[in-house]
Amino acid sequence: AQTVTQSQPEMSVQEAETVTLSCTYDTSENNYYLFWYKQPPSRQMILVIRQEAYKQQNATENRFSVNFQKAAKSFSLKISDSQLGDTAMYFCASGLYNTDKLIFGTGTRLQVFP
Amino acid sequence: KAGVTQTPRYLIKTRGQQVTLSCSPISGHRSVSWYQQTPGQGLQFLFEYFSETQRNKGNFPGRFSGRQFSNSRSEMNVSTLELGDSALYLCASSQFDREGEKLFFGSGTQLSVL
Repeated sequence: AQTVTQSQPEMSVQEAETVTLSCTYDTSENNYYLFWYKQPPSRQMILVIRQEAYKQQNATENRFSVNFQKAAKSFSLKISDSQLGDTAMYFCASGLYNTDKLIFGTGTRLQVFP
Repeated sequence: KAGVTQTPRYLIKTRGQQVTLSCSPISGHRSVSWYQQTPGQGLQFLFEYFSETQRNKGNFPGRFSGRQFSNSRSEMNVSTLELGDSALYLCASSQFDREGEKLFFGSGTQLSVL
């Protein structure tokens, strides 16, 4: 069975600073994806970044990047130059190929302060 | 392209009633999945549909059901509502492109059972 663990219930960061959100996962499968989703107060889940397990290169999307450590089953999200609009719940998730069934972590509430 | 559209946005029902939620996927997406989000249980997978066929099902009682139509629109139904069914129900549609699988979520339907 797949599991996803986010051990930081809440984080805070000052505007323009960098913050890293942690995520560990467990799976016995070889073909899987990892995702970070953002859920602002509007409650819509927004895809931030995704990583395919077979790719060694860490994914990057503008200010967002991941540190994917496959052997350690770790998938952390780094937000650079934090902005007030980054304030949201962040969920880490894993999914297998050929299915939309995602396993989500419990989330990390990120507050960006001016 | 329009995003995933869920209707209604808010719904209030009483115990014992049934409810139907609707989801229109992004144009061209053939896969639709449903998730339940509660403060206690977090985000949990309900089921997914691809080309009108249920491809995967989560661990929910038979009171939860869904279907997908030929135009990829999907509905989920909850019968004999219980207080614990109060939740945000999220629908997602997905595409598989050269970058792999990506799920896009709607804004959700907030169901309150009184």
